[in-house]
Amino acid sequence: GIQVEQSPPDLILQEGANSTLRCNFSDSVNNLQWFHQNPWGQLINLFYIPSGTKQNGRLSATTVATERYSLLYISSSQTTDSGVYFCAVEGGANSKLTFGKGITLSVRP
Amino acid sequence: KAGVTQTPRYLIKTRGQQVTLSCSPISGHRSVSWYQQTPGQGLQFLFEYFSETQRNKGNFPGRFSGRQFSNSRSEMNVSTLELGDSALYLCASSLGAGETQYFGPGTRLLVL
Repeated sequence: GIQVEQSPPDLILQEGANSTLRCNFSDSVNNLQWFHQNPWGQLINLFYIPSGTKQNGRLSATTVATERYSLLYISSSQTTDSGVYFCAVEGGANSKLTFGKGITLSVRP
Repeated sequence: KAGVTQTPRYLIKTRGQQVTLSCSPISGHRSVSWYQQTPGQGLQFLFEYFSETQRNKGNFPGRFSGRQFSNSRSEMNVSTLELGDSALYLCASSLGAGETQYFGPGTRLLVL
């Protein structure tokens, strides 16, 4: 099956700093999503981005499908950005998402 | 539109018991998937249902089963609970393969 690797595993930032989170995947995909898991466990959709670039406020994402990677950019980070960020991909004719291990982001005031 | 809802939110069971979790998808979504999240294994796919048919199944023992009803609501059942079944169980719904998946708040199961 598809392998998903996220890096770095942990990231500590000062408030106001920018960061880049990376997701590599091993095969072609028809769905790639970035999630932020809140402290209560819910996965919050950030982006649906199987290819191309999208922006939503301070967050943006780019997926280069031909090179099998995606990047999530967080600018001017805030303490509320802290948490775990997951990349998940779907390949083939089904709705099975394969998740990476997540990136734990800590933003310090 | 209302989001994905899951009930109950928290459960405590003892080894050997069985449990049933429920998921109501977003209106109009026919695909419902279930995932298990544990600290050791991360997020793992359990199974997916589309129009009442199981389309895909993850690598879990037969104690884990599910079903989907004609209104797209889904249930998953775990029989003969083991300590290792303690986890956050997440349900997601979508329009179908390749579409955005939306997750519910999850059910936290603790097996004592």
